Amino acid sequence: DAKTTQPNSMESNEEEPVHLPCNHSTISGTDYIHWYRQLPSQGPEYVIHGLTSNVNNRMASLAIAEDRKSSTLILHRATLRDAAVYYCILPLAGGTSYGKLTFGQGTILTVHP
Amino acid sequence: EPEVTQTPSHQVTQMGQEVILRCVPISNHLYFYWYRQILGQKVEFLVSFYNNEISEKSEIFDDQFSVERPDGSNFTLKIRSTKLEDSAMYFCASSGTSGGPTYEQYFGPGTRLTVT
Repeated sequence: DAKTTQPNSMESNEEEPVHLPCNHSTISGTDYIHWYRQLPSQGPEYVIHGLTSNVNNRMASLAIAEDRKSSTLILHRATLRDAAVYYCILPLAGGTSYGKLTFGQGTILTVHP
Repeated sequence: EPEVTQTPSHQVTQMGQEVILRCVPISNHLYFYWYRQILGQKVEFLVSFYNNEISEKSEIFDDQFSVERPDGSNFTLKIRSTKLEDSAMYFCASSGTSGGPTYEQYFGPGTRLTVT
C-alpha cells in the first residue's frame, strides 16, 4: 500500500471546523484515498473516500490536492462525538487484493467543549 | 440502517483451546474481512474472503487460523489452539456489492478475546 503520513494528534474546540491533513506522496494514479475513524472502544468507521475530485457527504468533506500527493479531511463543525483516531488509508488496488486496509497510527483528534 | 454484527462481544478462553468468532455481514455484501487490534496497538489486517475462498491473508493468519462462510449469512474466524498473544479485539468487516478498494468497508463492534 502507498504510505501515508499524518500528524500524531490535533485539537479542536466544539463547533469549530477541523482540518485533518494527510500526505501520500507515493500515491499512484489508481489509488483511492479513504478515511476511517475509530471512536473509543469501538470498531473503525468509514468516513469518506475519493479519487481526484473533492467529495462531500453527511459526515465530512474530503479535499484532494491537484497533484494528489496530499488530502485534507474537513469536519465542518466538530462535536464531542467526533473525538476519535482518524486514519488516512490508500487501499491496495488490483491483483488479488480486495481492498485490504492497512491502518497506521492515525491522528488522535481531541475536541474541547 | 444495515450493520455488521458480531458475537460474542467478549470471549474468555484458556490457552490451547479452540475458539470460533462469529460475524453476520451486511446481507448483500460480497467481500468479507477480519482484522484484529491488540490493546493499545494498531488495527491489523488478518484475512479477506470472496467467492467462498480466501483472497488475501497476512503473516499473522497462520495455520492456526481459518475462516468459513458456512451458511450464506454467517462469517466465522476459528483459532484452533489459542495462545496468550491472540488476546485482542477482533473486528469483522464487509464491503459492498462490487468490492475492492473503491468501496467502503463496514465494521462490526468487535469481539474481545481474552486468552488466559
